[in-house]
Amino acid sequence: DGGITQSPKYLFRKEGQNVTLSCEQNLNHDAMYWYRQDPGQGLRLIYYSQIVNDFQKGDIAEGYSVSREKKESFPLTVTSAQKNPTAFYLCASSHRGGTLGRETQYFGPGTRLLVL
Amino acid sequence: GIQVEQSPPDLILQEGANSTLRCNFSDSVNNLQWFHQNPWGQLINLFYIPSGTKQNGRLSATTVATERYSLLYISSSQTTDSGVYFCAVAWNTDKLIFGTGTRLQVFP
Repeated sequence: DGGITQSPKYLFRKEGQNVTLSCEQNLNHDAMYWYRQDPGQGLRLIYYSQIVNDFQKGDIAEGYSVSREKKESFPLTVTSAQKNPTAFYLCASSHRGGTLGRETQYFGPGTRLLVL
Repeated sequence: GIQVEQSPPDLILQEGANSTLRCNFSDSVNNLQWFHQNPWGQLINLFYIPSGTKQNGRLSATTVATERYSLLYISSSQTTDSGVYFCAVAWNTDKLIFGTGTRLQVFP
């Protein structure tokens, strides 16, 4: 089945620890995105990537890092510099054909990160 | 940047009722999407509708871009419609800006 997978479903982080969230898609989409959702809030963009080996910061990139070595994969690392990482993290992807910014985004099931 | 406001913030319905959710945005957009987030957190794209009207079963959406608003209509609501409905917009960019959502609860 085509889709977006995220793992793990739940992740616990200790103080000072870096953790990496996985996002894989088999939709042959060029663009991939990472969002953060806090309780009762909308989604905020952390990083996005339009092509392999290239990515841009979103609105809340501080304390996070990404890589895009393969078209199918866009892992997100939550570093120890992110002081309030407890949140729900969602990965999305979309085509990039046609006019920039006019493509539907499809979401993975999300990862809940909790700080111990 | 573009501001997105959704109303109402919360909506409680009995099964079978109809409802209208509203999304106002502060500037021109050429990308507007409606999403449903189920109680388990999964976001499903409902409509890509930067202008005009679309229908999909019991759901329909209308965007009046010149007046900077979009409406999502849910008819004959079912308990499975419960969750949070988000509107997200963009102008010439991949960076969607999300509203804070409308939380819908449908009771049998």
